[in-house]
Amino acid sequence: NAGVTQTPKFQVLKTGQSMTLQCAQDMNHEYMSWYRQDPGMGLRLIHYSVGAGITDQGEVPNGYNVSRSTTEDFPLRLLSAAPSQTSVYFCASMLQGLNTEAFFGQGTRLTVV
Amino acid sequence: GENVEQHPSTLSVQEGDSAVIKCTYSDSASNYFPWYKQELGKRPQLIIDIRSNVGEKKDQRIAVTLNKTAKHFSLHITETQPEDSAVYFCASGGSNYKLTFGKGTLLTVNP
Repeated sequence: NAGVTQTPKFQVLKTGQSMTLQCAQDMNHEYMSWYRQDPGMGLRLIHYSVGAGITDQGEVPNGYNVSRSTTEDFPLRLLSAAPSQTSVYFCASMLQGLNTEAFFGQGTRLTVV
Repeated sequence: GENVEQHPSTLSVQEGDSAVIKCTYSDSASNYFPWYKQELGKRPQLIIDIRSNVGEKKDQRIAVTLNKTAKHFSLHITETQPEDSAVYFCASGGSNYKLTFGKGTLLTVNP
């Protein structure tokens, strides 16, 4: 089991560029989510999915899109990168939606210049 | 939505001392309270969790307590060691399939 795999690990973007952060899990987890981590702000939920074909917004969804075409993959798209999106992004998955451990990917450090 | 407050933001202790981190939550429907440890440059990892039908849970040097009436829960680490140095996050989960995290506590254990 690889667990939760995120790519890339590091990325530098210019303002206005778009990109996709990849997240894949091989644990057959139904629930997947994306967080951003900024200094002093903890982990803030961007978008989440309770199963293939179902997505919903979290606390800070603006500027990001997601889709969930398969159980394994949950990509995060930045439509037009802004310096405010400079952050560390974590993907996480859970077997069920409630009361179970969230497994995190290794993170993507994104810098927007 | 749910709001989780975590204190203190930084905590420095001597090796062998105990450390306590406290969190409060706002949603009375929350029923799951995990704690995650994040070492520098690494991903968060679950260290202990508690459900709303339990008041206390222990795992070796780590314990978590929950007071549902007051809506607060705490992490207790006894006999701290330098390898306990990390950022600790509390979180709250409920029926809406979301985990809401506190802002984190940087714990430093001095040898």
